[in-house]
Amino acid sequence: QKEVEQDPGPLSVPEGAIVSLNCTYSNSAFQYFMWYRQYSRKGPELLMYTYSSGNKEDGRFTAQVDKSSKYISLFIRDSQPSDSATYLCAILFRRKGSARQLTFGSGTQLTVLP
Amino acid sequence: SQTIHQWPATLVQPVGSPLSLECTVEGTSNPNLYWYRQAAGRGLQLLFYSVGIGQISSEVPQNLSASRPQDRQFILSSKKLLLSDSGFYLCAWGGQANSPLHFGNGTRLTVT
Repeated sequence: QKEVEQDPGPLSVPEGAIVSLNCTYSNSAFQYFMWYRQYSRKGPELLMYTYSSGNKEDGRFTAQVDKSSKYISLFIRDSQPSDSATYLCAILFRRKGSARQLTFGSGTQLTVLP
Repeated sequence: SQTIHQWPATLVQPVGSPLSLECTVEGTSNPNLYWYRQAAGRGLQLLFYSVGIGQISSEVPQNLSASRPQDRQFILSSKKLLLSDSGFYLCAWGGQANSPLHFGNGTRLTVT
């Protein structure tokens, strides 16, 4: 079992739709959760960072964490064609005596049609 | 503000040739530095990380190596490239404690 599983997509939605992107994880020691957006041929860009269960909102983006179910989601409201990208969930953990490390999901490719 | 630079953006190298990819960070000191590889349609695989000058930890045994000659410089190298080394290589930096990582724009390497 992978440490982080992400709905693979691809996902195609009309402009203005609400998008839901999801990941599950297996290690209950994970504590910090991130969503990255990656445009084609670019590096991942940090979108959201949270460490507590519940919702965190930033503009049209909402990150949701449910630690009891080991489930994280990213919601995009009023989706725009410029949101078309690959979205990666990532979970940060620190091994004893080493630097923090990120474990990534495999990414969900989103296309928002005008 | 902090910025991270990676070069070159694209590289085509023959099998058996050497490799050197460079990454530098500006606007911060003593960052944690990372090299990741991303295969098409797959997540990111951690290759190396460094918590300080000369300190390198390897996550995946392979024919690649990393070095950190200066505080804000991280280099990925190979003496002889394999076809399987093709991929998208990303450098990242992180601050202290549990802050998230920030990525450069990557180098797309094609080994022919």
